[in-house]
Amino acid sequence: NAGVTQTPKFRVLKTGQSMTLLCAQDMNHEYMYWYRQDPGMGLRLIHYSVGEGTTAKGEVPDGYNVSRLKKQNFLLGLESAAPSQTSVYFCASRRGGIYNEQFFGPGTRLTVL
Amino acid sequence: GIQVEQSPPDLILQEGANSTLRCNFSDSVNNLQWFHQNPWGQLINLFYIPSGTKQNGRLSATTVATERYSLLYISSSQTTDSGVYFCAVVGSGAGSYQLTFGKGTKLSVIP
Repeated sequence: NAGVTQTPKFRVLKTGQSMTLLCAQDMNHEYMYWYRQDPGMGLRLIHYSVGEGTTAKGEVPDGYNVSRLKKQNFLLGLESAAPSQTSVYFCASRRGGIYNEQFFGPGTRLTVL
Repeated sequence: GIQVEQSPPDLILQEGANSTLRCNFSDSVNNLQWFHQNPWGQLINLFYIPSGTKQNGRLSATTVATERYSLLYISSSQTTDSGVYFCAVVGSGAGSYQLTFGKGTKLSVIP
């Protein structure tokens, strides 16, 4: 059981470039989330999905898009990267229902120059 | 939305000392989790504790949901306990079950 995995672990982009971050989970969880963490801060929600084929905006969605074509995968896209998107990105998943724990991936460290 | 405040923001301990970290939240919650972010950046689940008390080795946690706070106790601290401890909650009105995080308590345990 790998849990929640993220690809890549590190990436450096130039302003204006695009990229996709991949999150995969093998726990058959319904809900998946993308968060970002900036220095000295807790995590903030970018987008989330409550099931295959569904996505919704979180607290800081601007500049990002997401897709959930398969239940086990949740992709985060940056169409035109900006230095303000330099951050550590975490993916998480949980089962459906009220009283369930959320599990996190190892994170992707992204630098936009 | 719900607000989460953690205290203290920074804590320095001598190895072997005990400590208590506090998490206050502004509204009723369905879920509450404590995490340890180690120096390599990994988020490690410590406790899932929407109410009551749990213990895991040298760590224990108590959540008093009616009074809107949770406490994390670390006993006989070790240098490997260093890192940032986050409290995160799911507000009872959050249909997405998203976690709202506090800003964390940075713990440094010195030998």
